[in-house]
Amino acid sequence: EPEVTQTPSHQVTQMGQEVILRCVPISNHLYFYWYRQILGQKVEFLVSFYNNEISEKSEIFDDQFSVERPDGSNFTLKIRSTKLEDSAMYFCASSERTGFNSPLHFGNGTRLTVT
Amino acid sequence: AQSVTQLDSQVPVFEEAPVELRCNYSSSVSVYLFWYVQYPNQGLQLLLKYLSGSTLVKGINGFEAEFNKSQTSFHLRKPSVHISDTAEYFCAVVTGGGNKLTFGTGTQLKVEL
Repeated sequence: EPEVTQTPSHQVTQMGQEVILRCVPISNHLYFYWYRQILGQKVEFLVSFYNNEISEKSEIFDDQFSVERPDGSNFTLKIRSTKLEDSAMYFCASSERTGFNSPLHFGNGTRLTVT
Repeated sequence: AQSVTQLDSQVPVFEEAPVELRCNYSSSVSVYLFWYVQYPNQGLQLLLKYLSGSTLVKGINGFEAEFNKSQTSFHLRKPSVHISDTAEYFCAVVTGGGNKLTFGTGTQLKVEL
């Protein structure tokens, strides 16, 4: 079964550094998402992306965050200047269509640790 | 705004015993409800979903859930758990026309021998 793959599985970075989290969505999917889960807290929506544009973003997704689909297969999340509170598990997801009847397929996540 | 509440952060249970993981939602509009499972070191996997129709929904791995509109609940059940069911379970809701998920805080199911 096709999978969403994320790399790296664990990233450690120093506060203030830029970090890029990478995702390869399922090949025929058109909608892409980032979620994050701070340890012990809820899984939270960050951003959705379709047709090379952000379609929706949450309050968390401020100017420090950006997303890009640099080629036909990768979908990246960049954090420009990391803060301690950015430490979390970041999940990429993709779906074939929009709408509640098109389930999200999640990757295994990237654990980001900011020191 | 819609939200889901998972009251139990941890549920220990012995193998072959039944289990119920509780989820309550709040929304003033139509809701679409989901249960996801996260096995250790893995991503979120869809267990089952309620979109419309029959209120009893069957999912993978022998799990089922019942949508109860009057009690605004969507509890997950399994009649007999296995060690391999040890995982974190997340209830989630979508409202409106999109598929942005709002998750609960998760319930850690620990199955013991």
